[in-house]
Amino acid sequence: DTEVTQTPKHLVMGMTNKKSLKCEQHMGHRAMYWYKQKAKKPPELMFVYSYEKLSINESVPSRFSPECPNSSLLNLHLHALQPEDSALYLCASSRTGRPEAFFGQGTRLTVV
Amino acid sequence: SQELEQSPQSLIVQEGKNLTINCTSSKTLYGLYWYKQKYGEGLIFLMMLQKGGEEKSHEKITAKLDEKKQQSSLHITASQPSHAGIYLCGADRTTSGTYKYIFGTGTRLKVLA
Repeated sequence: DTEVTQTPKHLVMGMTNKKSLKCEQHMGHRAMYWYKQKAKKPPELMFVYSYEKLSINESVPSRFSPECPNSSLLNLHLHALQPEDSALYLCASSRTGRPEAFFGQGTRLTVV
Repeated sequence: SQELEQSPQSLIVQEGKNLTINCTSSKTLYGLYWYKQKYGEGLIFLMMLQKGGEEKSHEKITAKLDEKKQQSSLHITASQPSHAGIYLCGADRTTSGTYKYIFGTGTRLKVLA
């Protein structure tokens, strides 16, 4: 199994809603990542978890709250988002000490 | 400016033509990765280059790393419509065990049948 599975694939939410994005991998990877990608732009790193601990937070607003409940799961909790947060959110994982990352198909988020 | 700059930004080629995409880093490269992304989808890992002068091939795609120039090139031979997508170079900026990858500005490739 070399897949990173993200759910949902599409999400439309209002600015007062609370929602969560989910990412799952069963490759035994201990590094997991959240990226945000706006149209026609490269992915921008948001968070990195290493051994289930948050190791990087790229100055992401607190309305995005990551959670890594176990070594296979990574969540991104969303609350009070703005329309400019609409983007493709990509999850990735990699083996620690190995550089190539595996990416999920992404969640297309629209904030209305 | 971006730490990893790619050129060209976009490319339209006729099927069967060869093409080259470049990725230049403003910092020393210790590892350079190439990914392909279909529009609106996740990234597919193509290959990784770790040593200066290293060259790798995957089907009709060849990538080289010039460490001194802090540059990598991706060459596609006899392009096909299936090669269309966004090509992204990525660099490992891991420090002290904190894993981090960054991406280049991207090159959008369209192949005309």
